Amino acid sequence: SQQGEEDPQALSIQEGENATMNCSYKTSINNLQWYRQNSGRGLVHLILIRSNEREKHSGRLRVTLDTSKKSSSLLITASRAADTASYFCATDSSGNTGKLIFGQGTTLQVKP
Amino acid sequence: GAVVSQHPSRVICKSGTSVKIECRSLDFQATTMFWYRQFPKQSLMLMATSNEGSKATYEQGVEKDKFLINHASLTLSTLTVTSAHPEDSSFYICSARDRAAGTMDTQYFGPGTRLTVL
Repeated sequence: SQQGEEDPQALSIQEGENATMNCSYKTSINNLQWYRQNSGRGLVHLILIRSNEREKHSGRLRVTLDTSKKSSSLLITASRAADTASYFCATDSSGNTGKLIFGQGTTLQVKP
Repeated sequence: GAVVSQHPSRVICKSGTSVKIECRSLDFQATTMFWYRQFPKQSLMLMATSNEGSKATYEQGVEKDKFLINHASLTLSTLTVTSAHPEDSSFYICSARDRAAGTMDTQYFGPGTRLTVL
């Protein structure tokens, strides 16, 4: 079953602008991960944030986690046309099995 | 970095035939691999967890006799779609967890296999 809901479903911005995507989930988690998928391709792992962390940075990516609201956000700063892709959050609630439940995804289009 | 491959990348078959998809971890050992299915413009749905040397664990609603999973070694899991029908047409993606200490949280995804059943 799908746990995560993401919004917006689609986002279109100009190059150089920031893009923010949100993810909400329902059960308690061990960690939350963000992935990128280019059309028709596999997934690329972007960043993992653990349940005891509130914020994490990686290059132009900033992820926040609010466990009280069961939500996370992914911010991409200074977007580039190459950032055009679908972005998915995935939650690991499984203990040690590593099973991930994916959100519905946000399709980001960055216009040059 | 850790690489997961899938073979084939694309397959077209006739209705009623069986199709085998391979998932390999190329430079690490994976005690656990996962199989997902993704329909167009939708998210990934976990189908099953494949554990080396034991039976796969299937998610609710996934027919284990339809989707046979074998994880015979630490670097290979196979998914066989038996008696495929057009509704099985989808993008199948595998992922693998590196068993090395300290990296258990990270999954590495294969490039996916596009299955089209005519």
